[in-house]
Amino acid sequence: KAGVTQTPRYLIKTRGQQVTLSCSPISGHRSVSWYQQTPGQGLQFLFEYFSETQRNKGNFPGRFSGRQFSNSRSEMNVSTLELGDSALYLCASRWDSSGGYTFGSGTRLTVV
Amino acid sequence: GIQVEQSPPDLILQEGANSTLRCNFSDSVNNLQWFHQNPWGQLINLFYIPSGTKQNGRLSATTVATERYSLLYISSSQTTDSGVYFCAVFTGTASKLTFGTGTRLQVTL
Repeated sequence: KAGVTQTPRYLIKTRGQQVTLSCSPISGHRSVSWYQQTPGQGLQFLFEYFSETQRNKGNFPGRFSGRQFSNSRSEMNVSTLELGDSALYLCASRWDSSGGYTFGSGTRLTVV
Repeated sequence: GIQVEQSPPDLILQEGANSTLRCNFSDSVNNLQWFHQNPWGQLINLFYIPSGTKQNGRLSATTVATERYSLLYISSSQTTDSGVYFCAVFTGTASKLTFGTGTRLQVTL
């Protein structure tokens, strides 16, 4: 079966713009999580959605938001981009509250 | 929150050598996973191993939950094993994966 699909793979944006990233989980997986990876901070949790509800949120400013649709696909949005938002954004899905996570290939965002 | 430490931070091996990567965590965990991050950034799941021992080809992992550590063994290493290996734990209280800082492995010919 298809894995976790993230689009786009690469993105270049200008400071002050906003961006939307997309994640399609493995078919049947209802939980989608987002992580940010930077050289300085490592892998940090952004938020998790389950059945269209945000279940948990990491320590990120309100400029970072997300949502999940009825088909479990998820989007995350970053508004008023800053240079420090440049990172690899990884999405992961799992079937429910138990079990392991499967990650997508990521979206590499560069803010100039 | 829970702390996850990995050692060593860097490892250089010759092809064919064996290695052991370690992951220590500071609190009880519900789940533990080992990932390999490839050069393109994707995290490839190696093991889902909250406790016990599992093997998959040249790789095996052991988690001793009561002593709060996990080990990843790589035998007969190949150049394709190069990359960064992450340990990540999940706790019910945090309800998220907490990652270690990784072990960067380079396998040379």
